[in-house]
Amino acid sequence: EVQVVESGGALVQPGGSLRLSCAASGFMFDTFAMSWVRQAPGRGLEWISTISGRSHSTYYTASVQGRFTVARDNSKNTLSLQMDRLTTDDTAVYYCARINMSALTFDQWGQGTLVTVSS
Amino acid sequence: DIPMTQSPSSVSAFVGDRVTITCRASQDISTWLAWFQQKPGKAPKLLIYEASILESGVPSRFSGSGSGTDFTLTISSLQPEDLATYYCQQGNSFPALTFGGGTRVEIK
Repeated sequence: EVQVVESGGALVQPGGSLRLSCAASGFMFDTFAMSWVRQAPGRGLEWISTISGRSHSTYYTASVQGRFTVARDNSKNTLSLQMDRLTTDDTAVYYCARINMSALTFDQWGQGTLVTVSS
Repeated sequence: DIPMTQSPSSVSAFVGDRVTITCRASQDISTWLAWFQQKPGKAPKLLIYEASILESGVPSRFSGSGSGTDFTLTISSLQPEDLATYYCQQGNSFPALTFGGGTRVEIK
């Protein structure tokens, strides 16, 4: 069974840092690009970052470029998101999602982890 | 990025009704369009990809159509378990995979 499970969400002060993790199982992890998608409270879905299967390429939406860093460890089937210089606008549920490159969409999602940025 | 516009923002219908949601892209995205269902407090779930292909395990009352800039998600006979918010997502501008604003479906 395909599974992705996020962890690491917490309450953090503005300007602080946080690292999210995603553990994947049930599929050949290194053959899939992976993404982070977030959802602010009561709002819609926002793609924020993608990393290719072998980590050759990383991509970010403009609002997190230079503050967030996506990485993966294919030996451990894990994905991470290092988030620095957090602002209140980063408050959201963060989802780890697998990309289906044939369909250019997200075909598997984790349950999400909540990041709250507040003083 | 390619902005995606969904309408209506919410719809209320009776069990058994036909429900239609539309999604419009700001430019031609061919058929690189997916639909997701998100139930309250849950992660999104892929329903349809490439505009009209039903994901495995998704009930056949869900269908998608369209190409270019205009797309439709149809629920042929609304069921109580279809209470959710539905999102479209374009794949044409990979890696920037953008979503529509969502349509909340409520049961009368």
